[in-house]
Amino acid sequence: SQQGEEDPQALSIQEGENATMNCSYKTSINNLQWYRQNSGRGLVHLILIRSNEREKHSGRLRVTLDTSKKSSSLLITASRAADTASYFCATEGRMDSSYKLIFGSGTRLLVRP
Amino acid sequence: DTGVSQDPRHKITKRGQNVTFRCDPISEHNRLYWYRQTLGQGPEFLTYFQNEAQLEKSRLLSDRFSAERPKGSFSTLEIQRTEQGDSAMYLCASSYRDFGAYEQYFGPGTRLTVT
Repeated sequence: SQQGEEDPQALSIQEGENATMNCSYKTSINNLQWYRQNSGRGLVHLILIRSNEREKHSGRLRVTLDTSKKSSSLLITASRAADTASYFCATEGRMDSSYKLIFGSGTRLLVRP
Repeated sequence: DTGVSQDPRHKITKRGQNVTFRCDPISEHNRLYWYRQTLGQGPEFLTYFQNEAQLEKSRLLSDRFSAERPKGSFSTLEIQRTEQGDSAMYLCASSYRDFGAYEQYFGPGTRLTVT
C-alpha cells in the first residue's frame, strides 16, 4: 500500500509560474526522495533530502521536509512545458534494512505553454 | 549508456499464460528492486535482492510470482498463470548501498497487458 498522499492530485499552471506539490507520509524515515515520471515511462530521480535536513535546493527545485508533521513539499520555480510529468515522493523507512521506497500516489503536473 | 535496462518493454499475453521479464541493473550496483505500478498510482514494492540473495518479498507477490538474480547480475521476474489483475507496469531499480543515503535508478519498465 502507499505510504501517504500527495496533494494536489493534479495541477495545471502557465509556463513561467511556480508549482508546489505536497507529500505526507506515515512512518519515521531515513530520507525522502522526489521522482519525476513522464507519460508511462520509468522514474527519474530528482532530489533526496535526509531526515536531519530541512531544506534542499537543486537548480529550479526546492524541497522542504518537516519530520514533525511528516510532510514534504516540492517547489518547481519558473516552470517550463518540459516539466509536464507526474511527480512522486518516496520515503525510505528508518527501520527498514531493505531500503525499499514507499511511494505516494503522485501529482500530475501540466505546464501550459 | 550504462543505465538500468528492461526487456521486453511491452508484453501482451492471454490470461493463463506465463510471462518472464528481465532486468539488467547498473553493473556495480549490489541491490536490485522490483516494483509494480498501476494506472494513476505510485509504484509499489514487490521484492528486492542484495547481490544474489532475495531478502524481502511483499505480500503483493503471490505464489504465482517468482524472481531470481543468479550470480548477482541480471534479474528475472516470472508470472505464472497470468490474470487480468496482473496488468501493470513492472519497474526494476538498482542501487549501490554501503552506508548513507543513495537514490535508486529505475529502468524504463515493462508494460504487461493481460487479455
